[in-house]
Amino acid sequence: EVQLVQSGAEVKKPGESLKISCRASAYSFTSHWIGWVRQMPGKGLEWMGIIYPGDSATRYSPSFQGQVTMSADKSTNTAYLQWSSLKASDSARYYCARLSPYSTVLDLWGRGTLVTVSS
Amino acid sequence: EIVMTQFPATLSVFPGERATLSCRASESVSSNLAWYQQKPGQAPRLLMSGASTWAAGIPARFSGSGSGTEFTLTISSLQSEDFAVYYCQQYNNWPWTFGQGTKVEIK
Repeated sequence: EVQLVQSGAEVKKPGESLKISCRASAYSFTSHWIGWVRQMPGKGLEWMGIIYPGDSATRYSPSFQGQVTMSADKSTNTAYLQWSSLKASDSARYYCARLSPYSTVLDLWGRGTLVTVSS
Repeated sequence: EIVMTQFPATLSVFPGERATLSCRASESVSSNLAWYQQKPGQAPRLLMSGASTWAAGIPARFSGSGSGTEFTLTISSLQSEDFAVYYCQQYNNWPWTFGQGTKVEIK
């Protein structure tokens, strides 16, 4: 089945680091951009950035540039989103999604990873 | 950054009625506009791309129109499974941006 499987919920303290994952299956991982989208509690969707697993090229939305790091591992078909020092305001659900090659829209979504940052 | 504005914020509709959702861009995005549906506790799902092209498996009661700065998503006869939040998203200029969403609720 073509799908994106995201890692489980995380509870962290402010200042801690975190890396969440998004594993692709049943399609060519290296041929499609992966996007990351944030959804804060009760709020709308926000673009964070995109990564091309084929060569790890990235584009970050200005609001997230320098705040997070996207990466990808071709050997495991997995994309990652990481923080070096979490803040309470990073508490949100984070979705990974595949970009369609035809129209650069998000045509396949993971179920999201809930990140809670609290002291 | 292009700002996408959706209205109304909430739309109350009887099942079987027509729903019209609007999305406005702060500058032209040509036809590079997508619509997504999100139900409670679920990931978003792609409905439309190119402003009016159905994604795979999307029923024909959904239709999209518009170009430039004004876009519309119409649901011709609302079914129970259509009550959800709908987001528009432009992919003409980076950073791509979403609207704030329109919640379609049962009247």
